[in-house]
Parts: sequence; structure tokens; C-alpha cells
Amino acid sequence: SAVISQKPSRDICQRGTSLTIQCQVDSQVTMMFWYRQQPGQSLTLIATANQGSEATYESGFVIDKFPISRPNLTFSTLTVSNMSPEDSSIYLCSVDALAGVYNEQFFGPGTRLTVL
Amino acid sequence: QKEVEQNSGPLSVPEGAIASLNCTYSDRGSQSFFWYRQYSGKSPELIMSIYSNGDKEDGRFTAQLNKASQYVSLLIRDSQPSDSATYLCAARSGTYKYIFGTGTRLKVLA
Repeated sequence: SAVISQKPSRDICQRGTSLTIQCQVDSQVTMMFWYRQQPGQSLTLIATANQGSEATYESGFVIDKFPISRPNLTFSTLTVSNMSPEDSSIYLCSVDALAGVYNEQFFGPGTRLTVL
Repeated sequence: QKEVEQNSGPLSVPEGAIASLNCTYSDRGSQSFFWYRQYSGKSPELIMSIYSNGDKEDGRFTAQLNKASQYVSLLIRDSQPSDSATYLCAARSGTYKYIFGTGTRLKVLA
């Protein structure tokens, strides 16, 4: 399995500002994922991040709004740019990691973002 | 479009009963299947994974997979109020591609 930490755990931000969320995993992983989850809603995948290449964004998400860095095999950042109240959500980092014989997906604790 | 479908619930069961959670998936190429438990305000926690047809037991949890019917289920025996949460079903569909259901909310009544 994998142990994942995220910083910050929560933040309250002003409209028009940007926030960078950090995700650290305790082992080297090829793929990391960023999700958004509104309260009471299901997970929405923002992008997948492979070390050494550009992140791959899902429909409805663009790099200018959600730039992602993946500088090495244990770390990634997601920036939420030019924030509006509609960006208020929980942002989750996850990884695809080897668990025994097969790969499984593990989630970090999340970052709760409120935009005023 | 590849999908995983779950009944949103809530599924209410009395304490001590068996809770049965179900999901179906559309991609016949999916090879791995997962159940996550998510408490309100927390992140999803992987509780069961299953890769071959049949049953897999871990404590009070049993995952069942039927690839012919494209059906995955999770049974929780001796349900406790602490089991009250949303349960997400997921299928790994290709390399690094996970498809999540929308989750079933379980309420265990004391």
C-alpha cells in the first residue's frame, strides 16, 4: 500500500487568488491522480500525473486553471488558479501503487477548500 | 462510455444484520475491482479488492465478483453503526484507469 499526505488540510481563500496543494507519498509511484469532490457528491477526476510528462486532463478541466507539477516519483502539486466560490470543494490526491501482486489506488486525506 | 453503477441508497439495515451492496460495470475488459468506504468529510479508504470470480472474505467483509454478469457485491456481516458510510465501487479499466461508481450510502440503525 501507500501512505499519502496532503498539505494544506484545509484553507479559506479569497476570490481571484490561487492555492497550491501538495501531495507526498511514502513510496515511488508511477501515476498520481487529482480528484475533486463536492460535499455529498461523487468523485470527479481532474487529471492524471505521470512523472516526467505533462498531466493528462479530463474533459472540463484545463491546465491554465489547474496546473499540475510532478517533479519526481513521490510528489505532486495541484494549483487552483484564479479561484471563484464554485471551486470550493475537497481536493483529493491519490496514487496507483503496488499492493502485493496487483496495483491498487490509495487516497490522501484531502484538502478542504473554501473560496469566499 | 465505461461506467460503474451503484444504487445511491440510503440502504438502511438494523445493527447485527447483513448489509448487501451491489454494483455493475460496463467494461468487460476490467480486471480488478475495489470497494472503498468513505465517512462523511473523510477521504475514501480501500477496504476490499477482488480480481477473480467468486468470493473473497476479510473479517466481516466479503466481496463477490461475477465477471459473466459484470457484477460486484460487498457483504458486511454483523453490521455495526460504525459501518454507516458511503461505499464506493470501482473498476480498474486498462492501465491507470479507474472508474468509480457514485456510491451507496449505508445506514446501520442501532
